Amino acid sequence: GAGVSQSPSNKVTEKGKDVELRCDPISGHTALYWYRQSLGQGLEFLIYFQGNSAPDKSGLPSDRFSAERTGGSVSTLTIQRTQQEDSAVYLCASSLGQGVDGYTFGSGTRLTIV
Amino acid sequence: QQPVQSPQAVILREGEDAVINCSSSKALYSVHWYRQKHGEAPVFLMILLKGGEQKGHDKISASFNEKKQQSSLYLTASQLSYSGTYFCGTDHTGGFKTIFGAGTRLFVKA
Repeated sequence: GAGVSQSPSNKVTEKGKDVELRCDPISGHTALYWYRQSLGQGLEFLIYFQGNSAPDKSGLPSDRFSAERTGGSVSTLTIQRTQQEDSAVYLCASSLGQGVDGYTFGSGTRLTIV
Repeated sequence: QQPVQSPQAVILREGEDAVINCSSSKALYSVHWYRQKHGEAPVFLMILLKGGEQKGHDKISASFNEKKQQSSLYLTASQLSYSGTYFCGTDHTGGFKTIFGAGTRLFVKA
């Protein structure tokens, strides 16, 4: 597609439930990133995938968070046993190679835990 | 290590200039700059690579001082459309892990 597509755009879920967030990067982009943005805050790095290399998971806040990227394309971020502090906008971005042309961000998934 | 941005917020009148700074405590390989409007995704402005270069397009330019481990974004003759939050992102290894600052909120009024 022309841009990075994320779904759903909004998700409200009860505390304790699991959620899956999806990201469809720009076709041909080898690198994919997940960031989290809490209300009025900056972008918190979560994880990146690059080609067939092992992902850098160093930003995942707890073992309740996991992500996978299938076939070098679509990625899913899963949050298990959601907590209220997980409420945030989850942004996905992709880039060609190391991003010398910058990252293209999706519009994000606004996750609200009630 | 999260880069430090300053100022946290700035209000300008249309036509005025602004400088946003981004400092790191570690040696920098590259610095990204993005602008995010309320409720929208961040949009890439430019990237500066190790080497102390300066870049620019239109009335927005940036510098990268490798020795001082900092970058500055220059907005000249600001327009209403420049309003938004500006983020710098830093990478220290030439890899893929870009860490973003807390952002600088810029508001341009007529």
